[in-house]
Amino acid sequence: EPEVTQTPSHQVTQMGQEVILRCVPISNHLYFYWYRQILGQKVEFLVSFYNNEISEKSEIFDDQFSVERPDGSNFTLKIRSTKLEDSAMYFCASSEAELKNQPQHFGDGTRLSIL
Amino acid sequence: GESVGLHLPTLSVQEGDNSIINCAYSNSASDYFIWYKQESGKGPQFIIDIRSNMDKRQGQRVTVLLNKTVKHLSLQIAATQPGDSAVYFCAEKVMSNNLFFGTGTRLTVIP
Repeated sequence: EPEVTQTPSHQVTQMGQEVILRCVPISNHLYFYWYRQILGQKVEFLVSFYNNEISEKSEIFDDQFSVERPDGSNFTLKIRSTKLEDSAMYFCASSEAELKNQPQHFGDGTRLSIL
Repeated sequence: GESVGLHLPTLSVQEGDNSIINCAYSNSASDYFIWYKQESGKGPQFIIDIRSNMDKRQGQRVTVLLNKTVKHLSLQIAATQPGDSAVYFCAEKVMSNNLFFGTGTRLTVIP
């Protein structure tokens, strides 16, 4: 069964550094998302992406964050000037169509640890 | 300061029994709901979904019930197995194309 894959599984970075989290969505999917889950807390929406542009973003997704689809398969989340509170699991998800018609499928996440 | 983690509701069931996991949602405009299962170290795994124009939907060993009057969603798992042990999240879609997740319930199956 097709699945969303994320790399790396664990990223350790010094505070203030930039990180890029990578995702390969399911190949025929058109909608892409990033969520994060701080340890022991809810999964929170960050951003959705469709047709090569951001379609929606949450309050969390400020100027520190950016997303890109650099080629036909990858979808990346860049976090600049990382802070301690950026430590969390970051999940990528994709869906074939708009959410009212199709569920989002999630990858296994990247654990980001900021030191 | 350091964030305090949420205390997850827990449910323990005997293997073979049926499980019912409940979820209250807050927005009456929510029109699509999904149940996800999250095992340790894994991402949320899709279980079953339901649209707001339905009251009930069945899958393999799972049933989702939606009561819009009281804004309540439940997930029923028949003949619960040890592999069902996980955290279960309900998620709702309101107006936009993203999901709002609930707190989650930790299901423990006792062999």
